[in-house]
Amino acid sequence: DSGVTQTPKHLITATGQRVTLRCSPRSGDLSVYWYQQSLDQGLQFLIQYYNGEERAKGNILERFSAQQFPDLHSELNLSSLELGDSALYFCASSQGSLSYNEQFFGPGTRLTVL
Amino acid sequence: DQQVKQNSPSLSVQEGRISILNCDYTNSMFDYFLWYKKYPAEGPTFLISISSIKDKNEDGRFTVFLNKSAKHLSLHIVPSQPGDSAVYFCAARGTGNQFYFGTGTSLTVIP
Repeated sequence: DSGVTQTPKHLITATGQRVTLRCSPRSGDLSVYWYQQSLDQGLQFLIQYYNGEERAKGNILERFSAQQFPDLHSELNLSSLELGDSALYFCASSQGSLSYNEQFFGPGTRLTVL
Repeated sequence: DQQVKQNSPSLSVQEGRISILNCDYTNSMFDYFLWYKKYPAEGPTFLISISSIKDKNEDGRFTVFLNKSAKHLSLHIVPSQPGDSAVYFCAARGTGNQFYFGTGTSLTVIP
């Protein structure tokens, strides 16, 4: 158990809909990272937040947005969903803003868009 | 554009022998490299890392080698154990603290 929790575990929705994925980092970790893993793909870095502020941005679509709240949990919002958005979404956390420290991953949320 | 590549989707090794997992990258600006292990239905777990200023880092049975001129990274597991069977991802840190992951290599250690 990494100490990072993600809810829900599974999510099935339809094209055009909007969903919110939630992540609670390990106690004491200030950074939260979001990744997408599509079928047969590596993990694609989406975005990082550190202590409530956006720290780094990867290949995140404009239809996607994220935020980190004062209690340090984070939410990833996916809107106007398309079939291709079906994937595993992982959240990870680390202590610092730079990742010389390891990132601890949650178990992921499997999103299926029908 | 895949900047980190793991060209072997799978690898099988006998228990007790050496497992060598390979990773190639294209961006010479990557300054930090990591290996993660992933079991089914779980998130990746950090295994070992190496800074670009080093060429080797060892942690128990796991050793990571970095060849910057060849832009090549490898993970050696000696001796391999059945519990090492998992998917292994290599990752690299680029500018702006962005991370790039390979597609993974599924390792099977045969008892």
